[in-house]
Amino acid sequence: GAVVSQHPSWVICKSGTSVKIECRSLDFQATTMFWYRQFPKQSLMLMATSNEGSKATYEQGVEKDKFLINHASLTLSTLTVTSAHPEDSSFYICRDTGVNTEAFFGQGTRLTVV
Amino acid sequence: AQKITQTQPGMFVQEKEAVTLDCTYDTSDQSYGLFWYKQPSSGEMIFLIYQGSYDEQNATEGRYSLNFQKARKSANLVISASQLGDSAMYFCAMREGQRDDKIIFGKGTRLHILP
Repeated sequence: GAVVSQHPSWVICKSGTSVKIECRSLDFQATTMFWYRQFPKQSLMLMATSNEGSKATYEQGVEKDKFLINHASLTLSTLTVTSAHPEDSSFYICRDTGVNTEAFFGQGTRLTVV
Repeated sequence: AQKITQTQPGMFVQEKEAVTLDCTYDTSDQSYGLFWYKQPSSGEMIFLIYQGSYDEQNATEGRYSLNFQKARKSANLVISASQLGDSAMYFCAMREGQRDDKIIFGKGTRLHILP
């Protein structure tokens, strides 16, 4: 089946720096990628939807300038957390469109901002 | 209002017993899909089972079955013969209609299997 490869699986960065997370669809072209954030012991919250060749659609309350999403090719979507702060520490996970009966997630990225 | 409700924040079940994880949903769409995912401590999201709103039979995948009661808007996950490796967080999720591909998640149930 389709596989979504996400990396890095974990990253520690200093406050004020930027971090880029990549999600790559390996088996087929993903024109749409969904980005979620999950705080400890909480559910997955949709942050944004990225579409190849167009601007991402952000959910209400998500800062567009803080979380930059680029979907430059059919297989690659990136999320950049800019000027990261400790409150941005979270688990970030992507998902592609998949097929009707299944959706494929990346492995997730644990971001710790110190 | 919450669209996916999982009322059990945590459950403890003896190994080899069957367990039912509750999920109710709210939608006005006639066409929708329901999912269950397992999330172990590693964080990965493992797809377990899917039920379409027009599927007449309850979905089954190995030890997993989905008790779909459309009139009650209920989609409970049943795990038969639980194993220690079933200990994880379980999320119920829904995809609504054909408008977009958004999948929304419930708050999850933490399942602990006791030896």
